[in-house]
Amino acid sequence: DAGVTQSPTHLIKTRGQQVTLRCSPKSGHDTVSWYQQALGQGPQFIFQYYEEEERQRGNFPDRFSGHQFPNYSSELNVNALLLGDSALYLCASSLPGQVVNYGYTFGSGTRLTVV
Amino acid sequence: TQLLEQSPQFLSIQEGENLTVYCNSSSVFSSLQWYRQEPGEGPVLLVTVVTGGEVKKLKRLTFQFGDARKDSSLHITAAQPGDTGLYLCAKEGRRDDKIIFGKGTRLHILP
Repeated sequence: DAGVTQSPTHLIKTRGQQVTLRCSPKSGHDTVSWYQQALGQGPQFIFQYYEEEERQRGNFPDRFSGHQFPNYSSELNVNALLLGDSALYLCASSLPGQVVNYGYTFGSGTRLTVV
Repeated sequence: TQLLEQSPQFLSIQEGENLTVYCNSSSVFSSLQWYRQEPGEGPVLLVTVVTGGEVKKLKRLTFQFGDARKDSSLHITAAQPGDTGLYLCAKEGRRDDKIIFGKGTRLHILP
C-alpha cells in the first residue's frame, strides 16, 4: 500500500522563478494538506484541499497556490520565489473526520532551495 | 503563529538515560497528537490523546495529557540511538481537520 508520494525530492530555483510541487495521497485518502518546514522549525500549514477545492488556508501570501485533481492528487505552486521560500515542503493526506483517530500521513517532502 | 510551546528546544543525552519533553498552550486542546520526524522524512504519528489526565504507553514512550487539557508530556525511558529525531506536538482545529504543529524538540541520543 503506497503511502504519500511527493516529487521532486530536491529542487534548486533562482529567485523570481516559479515552481510546482506534486503530491499523490495515500490510497483511500481524499484530503491533502501542504506544509512548509523551515530549517529547525515545525511544519507551518499552507492550505488544505478537499473535493478539488481549497478548504482552508494558513497565513501565506497569494504567491502560494494549489490545485487538487479528480484523482485526489495535488500540486503546490509558488510564484516569484524569494530566498525565504527555501524550505522542506511536506504534503499530508487524511480522511475527513478521521484526523483525531489516525492523524495525517506525510510524504518525505520536497527540499526547495532558492538561490 | 505557533500556538504550541515545546520545551526544551534541543536535548542531547547518553544512551540509557531517561528524558521528558513538554508541550504547552494557553488554550484548551480538544485532542493532541505527538509525531516523530527523522531526518529526510515526514512526521509520523506516534499517539493521540483526547481525555484530560490520559496516559498512553508505546513501548518505552509514555505520553500524558494534562488534567486541564492545556499541556502534554512525553517521557522516554532508557533512551536509545533510534529515538533520535524531532518530536512534534500538534493540535487539531476545533472545527476542521487542520493540524497545527509546535516547533518541536530535537532529540539526539548519543551511543
